[in-house]
Amino acid sequence: DIQMTQSPSSLSASVGDRVTITCRASQTITRYLNWYQQKPGKAPKLLIYAASSLQSGVPSRFSGSGSGTDFTLTISSLQPDDFATYYCQQCYSTPVTFGQGTRLEIK
Amino acid sequence: EVQLVESGGGLVQPGGSLRLSCAASGFTFGTFWMNWVRQAPGKGLEWVANINQDGSEIYYVDSVKGRFTVSRDNAKNSLYLQLNSLRLEDTAMYYCARLTPGSYGYYRDYWGQGTLVTVSS
Repeated sequence: DIQMTQSPSSLSASVGDRVTITCRASQTITRYLNWYQQKPGKAPKLLIYAASSLQSGVPSRFSGSGSGTDFTLTISSLQPDDFATYYCQQCYSTPVTFGQGTRLEIK
Repeated sequence: EVQLVESGGGLVQPGGSLRLSCAASGFTFGTFWMNWVRQAPGKGLEWVANINQDGSEIYYVDSVKGRFTVSRDNAKNSLYLQLNSLRLEDTAMYYCARLTPGSYGYYRDYWGQGTLVTVSS
């Protein structure tokens, strides 16, 4: 199985900050990488697919990059609504696997 | 508007069974792969099972093989997950999600609100 490792596991930041979350795969997954946002008590929401494609309706302050084994999710200017947990997920091979999550908290 | 609504969760003893349902609306259900993802309390996301459009291709995570069965009824726009021989570690929120094909694999673009399964004696 492909292991997905996110860093950091938690992060404190302020409104307006630029934030980057990284995700590393245990083997190459080219661009088979998606990012989700989850708020407490809610279902995950798709943000980014194919490593860098922005899902319809997602604000442009979210962006994704990377290929191979190393990927990043960047939020250019944090808004109050962005405080949540973020997960990367590989869809290169079955079983699909998720990172352990990065909890983004208000500083 | 795409909607996915899960039901069927509840409290069950170890070794027991449950059948989860996911009612879909707002899209042509029979043309999409569907899947189940679960999340244990306070933990991360775990993929459980995929099923293709006509039910002829099915995949499971190893930990549920032989115990869980995914199925669908396209006439009823519904997805199901039969959970048998339940274990304490199956306690989780179970989400159904639609799988949409992209240039690099499938992504889960719509999710239900989840249904909670609690396995406890």
